[in-house]
Amino acid sequence: DAGITQSPRYKITETGRQVTLMCHQTWSHSYMFWYRQDLGHGLRLIYYSAAADITDKGEVPDGYVVSRSKTENFPLTLESATRSQTSVYFCASTLTGGGLDYGYTFGSGTRLTVV
Amino acid sequence: GENVEQHPSTLSVQEGDSAVIKCTYSDSASNYFPWYKQELGKRPQLIIDIRSNVGEKKDQRIAVTLNKTAKHFSLHITETQPEDSAVYFCAASKSRDDKIIFGKGTRLHILP
Repeated sequence: DAGITQSPRYKITETGRQVTLMCHQTWSHSYMFWYRQDLGHGLRLIYYSAAADITDKGEVPDGYVVSRSKTENFPLTLESATRSQTSVYFCASTLTGGGLDYGYTFGSGTRLTVV
Repeated sequence: GENVEQHPSTLSVQEGDSAVIKCTYSDSASNYFPWYKQELGKRPQLIIDIRSNVGEKKDQRIAVTLNKTAKHFSLHITETQPEDSAVYFCAASKSRDDKIIFGKGTRLHILP
């Protein structure tokens, strides 16, 4: 699904550095989400957004910051990266929050390693 | 809030046999139950979903069943094939304006 893209695909950063993961969708979906995926934990919701300038915390928001100034972009920033934030990060979007129309469409993921 | 439990965490079945993955949810207001498949190194993708006004839904070799009274739903894969090897996630949501809550996933291995 080329309509939702994440960048970069892979990132290695050092502890304490700030890093931003990008997510861009071309469908004008209202809802966008950030998940992290770790072995044994499934998909854990970090932050989500129901529309531009509206964001809300998920299950594991600590250490992360999001913004959504435009409908199509939803960047995720790790303000001071820690090793525990090593993970695969998935962005997703959907027309309605419950995904009742078309389900959630996920990006390809960003594999982040914090050393 | 909603909590979705998924079992088993790992499942191995012989090729050609059936596989069943079960999920329970806690919020009786939930009314939409999608299933996602994630192949190794890929993104999760929606494979089938069911709404609360339906008890069962089929799509070729996969089917989902829903028991609202017991608050559980299941994914059934018949005549399993090697390409069914993946991680499967169940999920639940309450409304168009409510986020989906995912289970922790089941890793399905299809044995030759």
